[in-house]
Amino acid sequence: DAGITQSPRHKVTETGTPVTLRCHQTENHRYMYWYRQDPGHGLRLIHYSYGVKDTDKGEVSDGYSVSRSKTEDFLLTLESATSSQTSVYFCAISESKTGVIMGNQPQHFGDGTRLSIL
Amino acid sequence: TQLLEQSPQFLSIQEGENLTVYCNSSSVFSSLQWYRQEPGEGPVLLVTVVTGGEVKKLKRLTFQFGDARKDSSLHITAAQPGDTGLYLCAGRGRSWGKLQFGAGTQVVVTP
Repeated sequence: DAGITQSPRHKVTETGTPVTLRCHQTENHRYMYWYRQDPGHGLRLIHYSYGVKDTDKGEVSDGYSVSRSKTEDFLLTLESATSSQTSVYFCAISESKTGVIMGNQPQHFGDGTRLSIL
Repeated sequence: TQLLEQSPQFLSIQEGENLTVYCNSSSVFSSLQWYRQEPGEGPVLLVTVVTGGEVKKLKRLTFQFGDARKDSSLHITAAQPGDTGLYLCAGRGRSWGKLQFGAGTQVVVTP
């Protein structure tokens, strides 16, 4: 158990509203990731973090922002939600506390947040 | 972006049959991982292959990494209902830490 908790697990909101999803880890891992999963697309990286206040964009970052003020928390914000952002969102961590990602290190995932934007 | 194509997208078989899932790319990966995902849960790592030509076995599951490290396959022998799930391959290229995922293969094994 990698100790990853996502909240909320389900959310329904309206277009144009701001939404923040939270990922909390208990293992002090340096690397954290936000993905979205849609049918036919697999998992696509939105943003990732390689330390407190150190974040970078993934392949589908438009319309999303992230923040990491503490090692254990990685927040994903939709500033003004759109229907195209309806998806299942997963947070993940990589097992590397030293700052070096090796090729065989797995990513461990939370159980996801199902977000519906009407 | 290094694209990973999985085939087939969906596979439905009877218990006891064998199946193979393919993961192909035109890019070279430093390593490739296979995950299984069940409804309402996040993906869980099954195996990582690193060396071209490498074969790994996990009980009835056999994973192979292509010689050129551009493709991989997952073979399940005598499938059981517990093998039902979404199988995802994910490749790690040069950019550290980031994985590129395939779209997944939904496997359904009926008793």
